[in-house]
Amino acid sequence: QKEVEQDPGPLSVPEGAIVSLNCTYSNSAFQYFMWYRQYSRKGPELLMYTYSSGNKEDGRFTAQVDKSSKYISLFIRDSQPSDSATYLCAMSEDTGRRALTFGSGTRLQVQP
Amino acid sequence: EAEVAQSPRYKITEKSQAVAFWCDPISGHATLYWYRQILGQGPELLVQFQDESVVDDSQLPKDRFSAERLKGVDSTLKIQPAELGDSAMYLCASRSQLTSGRAETQYFGPGTRLLVL
Repeated sequence: QKEVEQDPGPLSVPEGAIVSLNCTYSNSAFQYFMWYRQYSRKGPELLMYTYSSGNKEDGRFTAQVDKSSKYISLFIRDSQPSDSATYLCAMSEDTGRRALTFGSGTRLQVQP
Repeated sequence: EAEVAQSPRYKITEKSQAVAFWCDPISGHATLYWYRQILGQGPELLVQFQDESVVDDSQLPKDRFSAERLKGVDSTLKIQPAELGDSAMYLCASRSQLTSGRAETQYFGPGTRLLVL
């Protein structure tokens, strides 16, 4: 079983819809949680960063972390065709290692 | 805005040949990572450097892969000999020491897409 599980999709939604992307994890030592967006043939781009539990909002994006359930979410409001990409969740422990453990990514398609 | 540079962007090689990838991190970033991303999967760490020292290479297949960061700035990842299963995207990322702690921010380069025939 992988440390981080993420539904690969694809997820297809109409423009303007609210999108919910999720990851579950098994390592209770994870403290830092991130969402990256990756366009085709490009490197991952950091979207959201959260430390420990709670919510964080940035424009149309909201990240939620529920450490008790080992569950993180990314919500995208008013989705746009330009949001079409693969979304990767990533996390790391509160140690000096700092390397990230990624989910497999969810491919999102926003239809105009 | 400063970016992580990688070259080449694409590489096609035959199995048993040697290949090398280059990464230039954002200026001043002390920590450098090489990840491998197989199509349809998330990136997986191969090796992590802190300045010129290897911090973690536990997932690096050392019989064929090598990595160096001689002056603590740019880095080279080498595969010799390449195998069919090495076909993947090789990503380099860097992180500033100043942002260690609560602000965990890794910046990724565009990657090198390797195809082994």
